[in-house]
Amino acid sequence: GAVVSQHPSWVICKSGTSVKIECRSLDFQATTMFWYRQFPKQSLMLMATSNEGSKATYEQGVEKDKFLINHASLTLSTLTVTSAHPEDSSFYICSAREGTVSNQPQHFGDGTRLSIL
Amino acid sequence: DAKTTQPNSMESNEEEPVHLPCNHSTISGTDYIHWYRQLPSQGPEYVIHGLTSNVNNRMASLAIAEDRKSSTLILHRATLRDAAVYYCILFTSGTYKYIFGTGTRLKVLA
Repeated sequence: GAVVSQHPSWVICKSGTSVKIECRSLDFQATTMFWYRQFPKQSLMLMATSNEGSKATYEQGVEKDKFLINHASLTLSTLTVTSAHPEDSSFYICSAREGTVSNQPQHFGDGTRLSIL
Repeated sequence: DAKTTQPNSMESNEEEPVHLPCNHSTISGTDYIHWYRQLPSQGPEYVIHGLTSNVNNRMASLAIAEDRKSSTLILHRATLRDAAVYYCILFTSGTYKYIFGTGTRLKVLA
């Protein structure tokens, strides 16, 4: 149980393109989802926290107009990288929490590798 | 946000126990200790978590110091598939956020 699916797993596109990444909780309802990015050989960096039906909360230094997050249902959150440029190339990972019990661990997707040419 | 400190890397021989340490001297009374591991090109995988008492599951054991300022993840018999980056994270109730540190890269030698 507690599977998080991320799609696509890999995308290459031209500079200036907008790219949408989907994150789905397959067998549970996710009241809160998180988006991270990870550069090679580095740790995960939290970008934003997304609660179903409300606006995402972005971490300091993350441009909300650049990284649009939508969490329209309890099983789906999307991250759109708008007008992507080569410096946006990274590994993007989502995670989801089940319910509201405070100590529940997050469940992670397998990530999306984004390469901007 | 409370921080954790882990060694950058460790090595272990296959089929031997591995003890991965984590220091979290600024932990507060309501912070849980969560451990994840990440294989190359994959998302982190949950390993174990605890609050005060030692915890065991099918993957590992978690030993928590009495003052809670440190903890140790124990893999009882390392296999080649256990080679990964292991992250120790303090989970703060209310924010639900994970702040990842640099983690420990575990290398398992055949």
